[in-house]
Amino acid sequence: GENVEQHPSTLSVQEGDSAVIKCTYSDSASNYFPWYKQELGKGPQLIIDIRSNVGEKKDQRIAVTLNKTAKHFSLHITETQPEDSAVYFCAASMGGGTSYGKLTFGQGTILTVHP
Amino acid sequence: EPEVTQTPSHQVTQMGQEVILRCVPISNHLYFYWYRQILGQKVEFLVSFYNNEISEKSEIFDDQFSVERPDGSNFTLKIRSTKLEDSAMYFCASSEGTGREQYFGPGTRLTVT
Repeated sequence: GENVEQHPSTLSVQEGDSAVIKCTYSDSASNYFPWYKQELGKGPQLIIDIRSNVGEKKDQRIAVTLNKTAKHFSLHITETQPEDSAVYFCAASMGGGTSYGKLTFGQGTILTVHP
Repeated sequence: EPEVTQTPSHQVTQMGQEVILRCVPISNHLYFYWYRQILGQKVEFLVSFYNNEISEKSEIFDDQFSVERPDGSNFTLKIRSTKLEDSAMYFCASSEGTGREQYFGPGTRLTVT
């Protein structure tokens, strides 16, 4: 089955710096890659996603890139703010066909933004 | 904005007892999921549910687990005889379709003593 690896496990940055989190996946059939932000005591919140027919997607200060050949995708947060501090999870899924959309998650990255 | 809701937020039960975790998915969604997150670990898929039947389940989802959509709005996860290792956060999620955005509820923290 699919396996998703995520790095780094912790990331500490100064406010205003950029943060990059990287994930690799194993199953070339995966075609949907969401990123979730999880704050303490809350459920994962979808912040951005990308599909395999697109190489890059941007939404204000966050962007995601996908390299299908290398089977890796990354989350980029620019101009970080203290409220960006949270745990970030990447995930992979196969949409369509015989798949029912199961998400396989990475291990998570604890992002701390220091004021 | 529509959201997934879950009750209760925290459930404490004794080993061997049955628990039912409840979820109300987003109303126009067709696919429903349960995930589990043991403290400090990654989120793990348990089961997906579509068209009133289980569509996929993980090896974690053994005979002690069951899911049901008893009416048009609720989606439940039942654990028949809880074990200590069932202690975790349980998240419900829903989606309009496969390969579409999955929205998660706030979770139920299950503590088995």
